Amino acid sequence: SAVISQKPSRDICQRGTSLTIQCQVDSQVTMMFWYRQQPGQSLTLIATANQGSEATYESGFVIDKFPISRPNLTFSTLTVSNMSPEDSSIYLCSALGSSNQPQHFGDGTRLSIL
Amino acid sequence: QKEVEQNSGPLSVPEGAIASLNCTYSDRGSQSFFWYRQYSGKSPELIMFIYSNGDKEDGRFTAQLNKASQYVSLLIRASQPSDAATYRCAVTATTDSWGKLQFGAGTQVVVTP
Repeated sequence: SAVISQKPSRDICQRGTSLTIQCQVDSQVTMMFWYRQQPGQSLTLIATANQGSEATYESGFVIDKFPISRPNLTFSTLTVSNMSPEDSSIYLCSALGSSNQPQHFGDGTRLSIL
Repeated sequence: QKEVEQNSGPLSVPEGAIASLNCTYSDRGSQSFFWYRQYSGKSPELIMFIYSNGDKEDGRFTAQLNKASQYVSLLIRASQPSDAATYRCAVTATTDSWGKLQFGAGTQVVVTP
């Protein structure tokens, strides 16, 4: 299975600022996804990162708040913009090689907003 | 609203016993089914996946899928202290949401001495 690395692993940020999270996969993958896990909750899909085109966002998530880039088949970034304490969560990147392969996750980025 | 339901627990299991976790899903178009284990402070780790009706075994873990009844279960045999974690069921409907995972709330498993 692909090895997925995320940076940073954790950060503490001031409200109103933005943070960009990087996700690097050690092999080319078809699909990359970004999930959010709020404290004590399960995972919720934010968006699908599409290579060479705009990301596809799930209901409740918008591009202005969570801009995503995917310049190639191994790398994606998620930016959390204009952060508020409600954005304090774990943000997880996942990758999928093909429809028959299971999805694996990176170690996540633990984000706290003061 | 497509839903994935799990009992939140905690599920208390004596060491050495079998832990049985259940998951139901509402979308009949769901094609792939996964069980992830998540330790506190860690990211989810895939432990089982199943695509066809029936049982699939991997070591101490067995996944069972019944698409007609829309449920998937996970059995953990010979439970060990290291099995204490939250187990999350996830499903994906490849027809209109290729690869997207929808997670249940997770079941916390506690292994007692």
